[in-house]
This record gives sequence, C-alpha cells and structure tokens, in this order.
Amino acid sequence: DVKVTQSSRYLVKRTGEKVFLECVQDMDHENMFWYRQDPGLGLRLIYFSYDVKMKEKGDIPEGYSVSREKKERFSLILESASTNQTSMYLCASRLDYNYGYTFGSGTRLTVV
Amino acid sequence: KQEVTQIPAALSVPEGENLVLNCSFTDSAIYNLQWFRQDPGKGLTSLLLIQSSQREQTSGRLNASLDKSSGRSTLYIAASQPGDSATYLCAVKSNDYKLSFGAGTTVTVRA
Repeated sequence: DVKVTQSSRYLVKRTGEKVFLECVQDMDHENMFWYRQDPGLGLRLIYFSYDVKMKEKGDIPEGYSVSREKKERFSLILESASTNQTSMYLCASRLDYNYGYTFGSGTRLTVV
Repeated sequence: KQEVTQIPAALSVPEGENLVLNCSFTDSAIYNLQWFRQDPGKGLTSLLLIQSSQREQTSGRLNASLDKSSGRSTLYIAASQPGDSATYLCAVKSNDYKLSFGAGTTVTVRA
C-alpha cells in the first residue's frame, strides 16, 4: 500500500513564525496535494504539484507557498504564520489523474 | 462549479443494521468518485474508488454504486459494527487535478 507520511501530528507555532509542513510518499506518485480542513468549511485545496518542481495554486493559496524538489516530498510553507491558519492540514498523493487519492494522517497546527 | 452534497449529515444506528449513505453532485461530467472514512482527528482513509465508466465497486462489507446521469452515489455498509463509527466523505473528480468534497456523514453505530 502507498504510504503518505506527514512529519508532525501536532504543531504549536507563534504568530509571525515561518512554518514548514513536510509530506513524503513512498510509491513514486506524480501528483501531490495540500489541503486544509476546518469545521463547517470542509476540505479546501491550498496547492498541488503534478511533477517535480511544478506547482499550481489551489482555491486558497494566500499566505502559503510550496516546494517540490524531489518527487517523493512536497512541503507546505507558511511564510508568516497567523492565527487564522490554525487548522488541520492534510497531504495527499495520486499516481496520475486516473487514480484515487491517498491521504496522510494530518497535521493539527495551532498558531498562538 | 461542482457541488457535492451528502445526506444525512449524521446517522445513528444499532449494531447489525445496514447503513446507507448518500452523495449527490451537480455536474455529471466526472472522471471518478471516491469514498473516504475519517476518524476524529485523523486523516482520510480511502474506501472505494469508482471510475466514471463503472456502476459499482465492492470491498468486503462495503458496496458503492454510481449513477452518473442522475448525479448520485450511494455507499452501503452491511451489518454495521461499532468500529464503523466515523465520518464518511464523498469526493468527486471533475477535472484533472481537483477533488470536490461533500461535508460528510457522521455515523454512530450503537453497541
């Protein structure tokens, strides 16, 4: 089975800090995604990448950036964390557009 | 824009009863539909993936049907168990890279 690993389950960061969320997949998937999940708003797409060094904005990219230097790793960067970025962050990967998504176990980020 | 609706929002059943979870979507031009399970505070676990050319998929006690023309999918869970208690999410892929998610149905199976 494909495994998508998110490096932290829980993170607490201060306002203004630069925050890195890491995601690694182990099955040579082409596409990777970052979502955030909030009560009442559901899952929203932040950024995605369909290949190494490629990235595309999702529905809510403001305040975030991403990096994909290697195929297996997709990093989400909060340039200057704010309290409204407190959320559950979910990483997902997919072999290509015909296949289903595999999600990681999530990172619960709290910005204080 | 694809809109995905899941009804009911919550469901409570006694152990052993069959579960029926509904998902509807507004644009029938889909590539595939995926059902996920989410336990509290955890990530999403894929249950079933149905391609647009398929009518149903089965895995153990789970069966998902797809009726593209009417914009509906149904997830059936046979002989429910307390361990089936979770939130079930339906997600529809309408273009190459984006999924549209429903808000989920929270299921409680009472022992």
